[in-house]
Amino acid sequence: ELKVEQNPLFLSMQEGKNYTIYCNYSTTSDRLYWYRQDPGKSLESLFVLLSNGAVKQEGRLMASLDTKARLSTLHITAAVHDLSATYFCAVDDPGDAGNMLTFGGGTRLMVKP
Amino acid sequence: KAGVTQTPRYLIKTRGQQVTLSCSPISGHRSVSWYQQTPGQGLQFLFEYFSETQRNKGNFPGRFSGRQFSNSRSEMNVSTLELGDSALYLCASNIDGTLQAYTFGSGTRLTVV
Repeated sequence: ELKVEQNPLFLSMQEGKNYTIYCNYSTTSDRLYWYRQDPGKSLESLFVLLSNGAVKQEGRLMASLDTKARLSTLHITAAVHDLSATYFCAVDDPGDAGNMLTFGGGTRLMVKP
Repeated sequence: KAGVTQTPRYLIKTRGQQVTLSCSPISGHRSVSWYQQTPGQGLQFLFEYFSETQRNKGNFPGRFSGRQFSNSRSEMNVSTLELGDSALYLCASNIDGTLQAYTFGSGTRLTVV
């Protein structure tokens, strides 16, 4: 059974600081997704990582994937208040036909002025 | 381009009743999957449909069922509602086989009283 673990679960940081969210998963997969969720809202796609060594950047967020270590990171550079949200990583389960995402527990990010 | 549409947005039901939720995927997306989100269990996969066939099913009791129509619209049904079924139910659609991000709808918030 695929397990996905994120840490930290909660992150409070000052504006302008850098930080990294980690996502570990338990079985081989080369499909990893990062999503953002604002309170009471749905999931917004941030990044799709499909191969070992993949790195993608959008604004102050950068995501990377190391399939050998079964690890993805989401790096936040010079955080701003607008980045406050809950961030989820999700992995496509490789053992089944079709599409099935297993989500991490989420990282609730609060950026303080 | 229209997104994934879920109806209704909110529902209040009584224990023992049944409920049907609807999801219209993005045009051209034939894969539709359903997820349950609760504060305690996080995001959990319910099932996935492709071309009117259920391809994957998560670890939920048989009270949870779904179907997909020829136009790719999907419905999920929960019978004999329990208090623990109170959750945000999210639908996601995807162009199968292209390794793109899953697009999520706004969700249906179900409250069982």
